[in-house]
Amino acid sequence: AQKITQTQPGMFVQEKEAVTLDCTYDTSDPSYGLFWYKQPSSGEMIFLIYQGSYDQQNATEGRYSLNFQKARKSANLVISASQLGDSAMYFCAMREGTGNQFYFGTGTSLTVIP
Amino acid sequence: KAGVTQTPRYLIKTRGQQVTLSCSPISGHRSVSWYQQTPGQGLQFLFEYFSETQRNKGNFPGRFSGRQFSNSRSEMNVSTLELGDSALYLCASSLKQDSWNEQFFGPGTRLTVL
Repeated sequence: AQKITQTQPGMFVQEKEAVTLDCTYDTSDPSYGLFWYKQPSSGEMIFLIYQGSYDQQNATEGRYSLNFQKARKSANLVISASQLGDSAMYFCAMREGTGNQFYFGTGTSLTVIP
Repeated sequence: KAGVTQTPRYLIKTRGQQVTLSCSPISGHRSVSWYQQTPGQGLQFLFEYFSETQRNKGNFPGRFSGRQFSNSRSEMNVSTLELGDSALYLCASSLKQDSWNEQFFGPGTRLTVL
């Protein structure tokens, strides 16, 4: 089974609108971390936000927030007030407590329309 | 503080050759991880080094190897190159081995195998 699933290959959003990028995960480890990364066309992976499995509150970082629903094993990224510079690939990733490697989803290509 | 640097940024090789990629982590970071990104397989973990020791390894053949030096710089070597090795190779550094939310990526080395 896939550790991380991103079901939206591509998404479009109007500038200044909010957008939600979906991510579901699969693990039996009670301790894990969930991450979102942004990858512009330049190729560099940019860390956006992190959520620990034991965190009680949803993580927020500026315009980014993570909608963490543990029972549903989902960790959706919400970008508020989209900007043209948000156009990029977005990857959801997970790190399990028992291992040291990251598992990445297949990514979602976000295009912000002026 | 300088970010993660990777050299070279672009590389073209032919089948059967070998290649060495270099990664210099952020100053003070001791953990370096390597990833392969291809359109077909997405992002896949290769290995992680910490204090000059390989701590974790992904599911790649023995043609892929790496090492870390005392100054935390890391090299990745691929021998007997195959067409399928064409990919973006990303390096990421973190302060310590289990820095869950502090992994920073470099710009990557784009390897093309002809």
